[in-house]
Amino acid sequence: AQSVAQPEDQVNVAEGNPLTVKCTYSVSGNPYLFWYVQYPNRGLQFLLKYITGDNLVKGSYGFEAEFNKSQTSFHLKKPSALVSDSALYFCAVRDKRGYNKLIFGAGTRLAVHP
Amino acid sequence: GAGVSQTPSNKVTEKGKYVELRCDPISGHTALYWYRQSLGQGPEFLIYFQGTGAADDSGLPNDRFFAVRPEGSVSTLKIQRTERGDSAVYLCASSPSGAGGPQETQYFGPGTRLLVL
Repeated sequence: AQSVAQPEDQVNVAEGNPLTVKCTYSVSGNPYLFWYVQYPNRGLQFLLKYITGDNLVKGSYGFEAEFNKSQTSFHLKKPSALVSDSALYFCAVRDKRGYNKLIFGAGTRLAVHP
Repeated sequence: GAGVSQTPSNKVTEKGKYVELRCDPISGHTALYWYRQSLGQGPEFLIYFQGTGAADDSGLPNDRFFAVRPEGSVSTLKIQRTERGDSAVYLCASSPSGAGGPQETQYFGPGTRLLVL
């Protein structure tokens, strides 16, 4: 069965420090991988996606994500965190075989402290 | 143009009542998706439309849930005989063609928060 794991319920980081939000997946083949962010009382906002090619993907707001096929991971990173990055982050996968539904992890709450 | 819009933003109903939730996708997007997000969880897929037809409804939890998209644009999610367990945020998303290719990024609306008392 396809699944996405976000092992940390919450990540705390000081403003200006680098941040990492972890994601691992279990999907047959090579799926498309996504990160979305959710601010309070807002919908999901697309951050970035991995399709193929370079393992480091750059996205919105200075975020990037590193795809690691051998570890089936797609960790979200940012070199220098901002207080305004505090939000709920979701990793998602979509099967390349034409199935269009996204499978989401449970989410990780990022708290950036001044 | 505008993003995905959903109405109402909040809906409070009583157990056993019927509710309708509306989604207006990004103009020109052929594919439309409904997800349900329960408290503390990630969104879960409900149904996917390609144009007017439901291409995949495997995520609908039971026959109390039904969705339509009669003209290939606006969609309505309908829940009959609501139960307290239906309380959740219902998210709608759209994508350009639904062809499953790498360009198919789903863009989400703000959601409808449903509370069944």
